[in-house]
Amino acid sequence: DAKTTQPPSMDCAEGRAANLPCNHSTISGNEYVYWYRQIHSQGPQYIIHGLKNNETNEMASLIITEDRKSSTLILPHATLRDTAVYYCIVRVAFPLVFGKGTRLSVIA
Amino acid sequence: AAGVIQSPRHLIKEKRETATLKCYPIPRHDTVYWYQQGPGQDPQFLISFYEKMQSDKGSIPDRFSAQQFSDYHSELNMSSLELGDSALYFCASSLDSGGYTQYFGPGTRLTVL
Repeated sequence: DAKTTQPPSMDCAEGRAANLPCNHSTISGNEYVYWYRQIHSQGPQYIIHGLKNNETNEMASLIITEDRKSSTLILPHATLRDTAVYYCIVRVAFPLVFGKGTRLSVIA
Repeated sequence: AAGVIQSPRHLIKEKRETATLKCYPIPRHDTVYWYQQGPGQDPQFLISFYEKMQSDKGSIPDRFSAQQFSDYHSELNMSSLELGDSALYFCASSLDSGGYTQYFGPGTRLTVL
């Protein structure tokens, strides 16, 4: 599986967009990019996934570069409830392999 | 919408005792996954079942066993418990035949004294 690299922590002001980067330079053609988050000790929560194209749902947008070597998760209007650890996972299929993730702190 | 149900939510055991954790997947989901998350660590995959057969195996100790029953619920059996088994145990389910989304339960917090 492709290795991912994420910044260990980020801060974001409430109401602003949170842009979380992920580097996956060794991704192969059939690997999907998944984003999950874990709010303190709760079960990880699915956010979004994509293969090549940019994706958007009610929670977030996923921007994947044309060479697929990196991606950015965008939370358009971050709230305090978005404070969590965000995991970028590259896999062909389940099960998920969790790395270190990015701890996002949304600040009032 | 129905979610993954795990029971019990909290469990306290003594060293060398046994524990059984239960997981009830989302209706119509045919695949169940178990993950372990130690204190300050990231979730680690233990084992998964598809249509009641073991489909994948991760870093599950030999002291642990699991199965999926005819109603698709799953149980994780843990014997000869050690202090290091204290962790959050998450169950997740997915519709393997066409879904790409894995849904997690709230977890069972196991404390071994």
